[in-house]
Amino acid sequence: GNSVTQMEGPVTLSEEAFLTINCTYTATGYPSLFWYVQYPGEGLQLLLKATKADDKGSNKGFEATYRKETTSFHLEKGSVQVSDSAVYFCALSDRGYQKVTFGTGTKLQVIP
Amino acid sequence: DTGVSQNPRHKITKRGQNVTFRCDPISEHNRLYWYRQTLGQGPEFLTYFQNEAQLEKSRLLSDRFSAERPKGSFSTLEIQRTEQGDSAMYLCASSYVGQETQYFGPGTRLLVL
Repeated sequence: GNSVTQMEGPVTLSEEAFLTINCTYTATGYPSLFWYVQYPGEGLQLLLKATKADDKGSNKGFEATYRKETTSFHLEKGSVQVSDSAVYFCALSDRGYQKVTFGTGTKLQVIP
Repeated sequence: DTGVSQNPRHKITKRGQNVTFRCDPISEHNRLYWYRQTLGQGPEFLTYFQNEAQLEKSRLLSDRFSAERPKGSFSTLEIQRTEQGDSAMYLCASSYVGQETQYFGPGTRLLVL
């Protein structure tokens, strides 16, 4: 079946540091890939997505590239802010059923 | 577009009681999904509807769980004879057929004492 593995947290960074959160997946076919973010006390929000190999999703300074050869979708941001503190979930969607399979989440804490 | 809404936002109940949650999807979204999220974990798929038809159910959805979407709009998730292990955040999401993106509601946090 489908599965998503992402790096364990928590990740603590200083403001303006570079962020990478690793994500790899196992899936049959050609899934769509997502990063969702969950801010404290709030629901899941879609951060970015990519629907085919070599696509790059981007939003709010975050980027991730769909790498089929390494089955990866790593999240990056060049300069994090305190407001980026949240839990980040890597996820994939099987095109046939469209249910989403999530990773366990990575908590990011950015300190001033 | 008011987003996906869920009620109640919080529910505390005693073991053995029945609870029901409601989800109102984004209007015109014909797919509706239920997920469960326990502390420190990612959401896990429970079931989904296309219009009023329930098309898939996870093995996580025991006989005590039932979901309905009678008119293809809002949905309810009922848990009968709740157990402490049912304590979790229950998330609802909706999408339109042909779209990869699911839009999530704020969730209903259930605590079973």
